[in-house]
Amino acid sequence: AQSVTQPDIHITVSEGASLELRCNYSYGATPYLFWYVQSPGQGLQLLLKYFSGDTLVQGIKGFEAEFKRSQSSFNLRKPSVHWSDAAEYFCAVGLNSGYSTLTFGKGTMLLVSP
Amino acid sequence: DTEVTQTPKHLVMGMTNKKSLKCEQHMGHRAMYWYKQKAKKPPELMFVYSYEKLSINESVPSRFSPECPNSSLLNLHLHALQPEDSALYLCASSPSLAGGYNEQFFGPGTRLTVL
Repeated sequence: AQSVTQPDIHITVSEGASLELRCNYSYGATPYLFWYVQSPGQGLQLLLKYFSGDTLVQGIKGFEAEFKRSQSSFNLRKPSVHWSDAAEYFCAVGLNSGYSTLTFGKGTMLLVSP
Repeated sequence: DTEVTQTPKHLVMGMTNKKSLKCEQHMGHRAMYWYKQKAKKPPELMFVYSYEKLSINESVPSRFSPECPNSSLLNLHLHALQPEDSALYLCASSPSLAGGYNEQFFGPGTRLTVL
């Protein structure tokens, strides 16, 4: 079965600084990969996804993520963080064949300091 | 329309009450999901409907009863809940359950409090 690891429970970044959130997955083949963001008390919003092709994926709100097969990673990045980016971020994995649901990581809480 | 809507936004119920949560999508998606989410945790999958048939039940207690009246609607009927069932209940939909089409779109959730 696939699994997802987000090693950082929370991260604090200064406003305007760059951000990288880590995600590692375990799966026998290349999975489909997603990053979701959740503001307090809200639903999850899809930031970006990787299915195939270019390993650098652009998303909404200025986020991007890079798929690295050799490292089984799909890290999320943003060059300059805004206070409104403070939220919980979830990495998720889906299978690329058969029928599957998503497996979520435990999440990383992003705090933005002034 | 790329939205998943959920009603009500908040619900407070006693342990003897019966209530229902509703979810609706008009994206033509054929898979719909119920998740339970506790604070500071990822969503936990409860049920999945595929083409209006219950496909996955993650060993959820029978006090939760899902229903899919048509391809756009998903209900979750609640009865005799316990205080530990208090959580954010999220609905999601995806084009299908098939790999490659399982990108999920989430609703805003219903915040449930059981007294």
